[in-house]
Amino acid sequence: EDQVTQSPEALRLQEGESSSLNCSYTVSGLRGLFWYRQDPGKGPEFLFTLYSAGEEKEKERLKATLTKKESFLHITAPKPEDSATYLCAVHGAADSWGKLQFGAGTQVVVTP
Amino acid sequence: EAQVTQNPRYLITVTGKKLTVTCSQNMNHEYMSWYRQDPGLGLRQIYYSMNVEVTDKGDVPEGYKVSRKEKRNFPLILESPSPNQTSLYFCASSLSNTYTEAFFGQGTRLTVV
Repeated sequence: EDQVTQSPEALRLQEGESSSLNCSYTVSGLRGLFWYRQDPGKGPEFLFTLYSAGEEKEKERLKATLTKKESFLHITAPKPEDSATYLCAVHGAADSWGKLQFGAGTQVVVTP
Repeated sequence: EAQVTQNPRYLITVTGKKLTVTCSQNMNHEYMSWYRQDPGLGLRQIYYSMNVEVTDKGDVPEGYKVSRKEKRNFPLILESPSPNQTSLYFCASSLSNTYTEAFFGQGTRLTVV
């Protein structure tokens, strides 16, 4: 069975203080790893999909990277509007169509 | 505007009283899913559907039913709700398969007393 573990559970940053979130996964044949952002009281919002080790994707102050065992979401010079819970999910080769396994998330708070 | 719409947003009900949470998407997506989100457990898939009349169980299907009679709608039915189904529920849709962006609804916060 797929397993996804995110760390840390919570992260408090000063504005401009760069940091990284970790997503460790166990899956039989990774088909895709996904990052989502979730604001309080709202549904998750898609950020990135990564398919193979070595792949990187960027969007504004966010950069996602992927190895064979984990993914990192780097937040560079964060702003208060980057405060949210960041979710990681995987889909493996043994999973049926539509199956996504989510981690519990990392709650990020950026203070001015 | 592309969106997934859930109703109601908030619902308080009593144990055993049947309820339906509706989900509708306007993007002509084939794939739709229901998730529940609980503190510390993350999002867990309840049911998913690959197209009209094609549904399958996710990780936590017990106590729930779904149907997919039309492509745009995917209601979640709780025939006899119990307090352990108190949770935040999300509907999601995606275009063709799991490797594409999934769009989520705004969520339905359900309390069963």
